[in-house]
Amino acid sequence: SAVISQKPSRDICQRGTSLTIQCQVDSQVTMMFWYRQQPGQSLTLIATANQGSEATYESGFVIDKFPISRPNLTFSTLTVSNMSPEDSSIYLCSVEGGRRSGRLSDTQYFGPGTRLTVL
Amino acid sequence: GESVGLHLPTLSVQEGDNSIINCAYSNSASDYFIWYKQESGKGPQFIIDIRSNMDKRQGQRVTVLLNKTVKHLSLQIAATQPGDSAVYFCAENRRNTGFQKLVFGTGTRLLVSP
Repeated sequence: SAVISQKPSRDICQRGTSLTIQCQVDSQVTMMFWYRQQPGQSLTLIATANQGSEATYESGFVIDKFPISRPNLTFSTLTVSNMSPEDSSIYLCSVEGGRRSGRLSDTQYFGPGTRLTVL
Repeated sequence: GESVGLHLPTLSVQEGDNSIINCAYSNSASDYFIWYKQESGKGPQFIIDIRSNMDKRQGQRVTVLLNKTVKHLSLQIAATQPGDSAVYFCAENRRNTGFQKLVFGTGTRLLVSP
């Protein structure tokens, strides 16, 4: 499967600041996604990062708060802007990696996540 | 609204036992389901998937069962090992205008005692 890395792996930030999270894939992929996982909870899709065009945001998430870049087929960034303690979460990128042996369809593979704490 | 949820938030088993993790979904239009395992400090890891035209699929020590009549999905782990301790998520794959969107269940924590 695709190897996905994220930077930073964790950070502690002050209220009102912004943090940019990077996601790097070792092969070209069509679809990249960003998720949020609040403490003790499940994953929620923030947006789909589209190469060469604006990201597609899910209900409840807006570009001003979570600007996303996708300059090429192996890289994307998510910025968490003007942070508050409520933004403390794990942020995960995923890629749609294509059909693999033993798998029925294109599925998503996840990076290790970025653990963000906002004070 | 439509959602994917789980019946049991925590499941404790003894090593060697078989484990069954359940999931309910409500979107009858979804045609593909995935189980992920998430260990502490890591991202979700693919376990097994199943299409809606199937009732059962087996992998290594894992089996997924799909009951479309009652919109129920289960993950069976045979001979559970301490390394299986993790949070397990079912995810419902909803296709929209050519790309997919995963909707995750709430998660079940599996605790395996030696």
